[in-house]
Amino acid sequence: DAKTTQPPSMDCAEGRAANLPCNHSTISGNEYVYWYRQIHSQGPQYIIHGLKNNETNEMASLIITEDRKSSTLILPHATLRDTAVYYCIVQRAGSYQLTFGKGTKLSVIP
Amino acid sequence: GAVVSQHPSWVICKSGTSVKIECRSLDFQATTMFWYRQFPKQSLMLMATSNEGSKATYEQGVEKDKFLINHASLTLSTLTVTSAHPEDSSFYICSARFQRQANTEAFFGQGTRLTVV
Repeated sequence: DAKTTQPPSMDCAEGRAANLPCNHSTISGNEYVYWYRQIHSQGPQYIIHGLKNNETNEMASLIITEDRKSSTLILPHATLRDTAVYYCIVQRAGSYQLTFGKGTKLSVIP
Repeated sequence: GAVVSQHPSWVICKSGTSVKIECRSLDFQATTMFWYRQFPKQSLMLMATSNEGSKATYEQGVEKDKFLINHASLTLSTLTVTSAHPEDSSFYICSARFQRQANTEAFFGQGTRLTVV
């Protein structure tokens, strides 16, 4: 599975949009981009995933560049409860395993 | 969404004893479950892949005789830490996916905090 690069930390003001970038320049055509987050001392929580089209659900939006070498997770109105470590993971279709990198620690500030 | 439940949430045990952690998929069948370990301020590290009805597949560096995995049914996998030592103290997390659907999300348990004294 392709590797990902994320900034180690980011701050976001409460109520503003949080935009978390991820680089995956070696992604292959059959690899999906997944986002999970882990709130302190809890198991990870699925947020969203996509292949090449932009995706939106009740939690977030995922914007994937046309060349698929990078993506951005958008939390439209960040709250204090969104403070967590966010992991961007690239996974080959048909693979069950998830390999976690170091992620981005997002701090939402009042 | 689907629920994966881990038990216990935390456990303290004496050095040299064994501890069993259960992972259950409550509303779906999981032929494959995964066990992770997370040390403080570090990311999740995959320990092993638990396959229903067959032997687990361990990642390099993980001792299979120390971390016993049993996946006897489609909804239950257990991890037993045998002869626990203080260095085994960690946050253990399991996850599961829907049967035969790889391009879907994984569901994670709430984790088990193991402290060996």
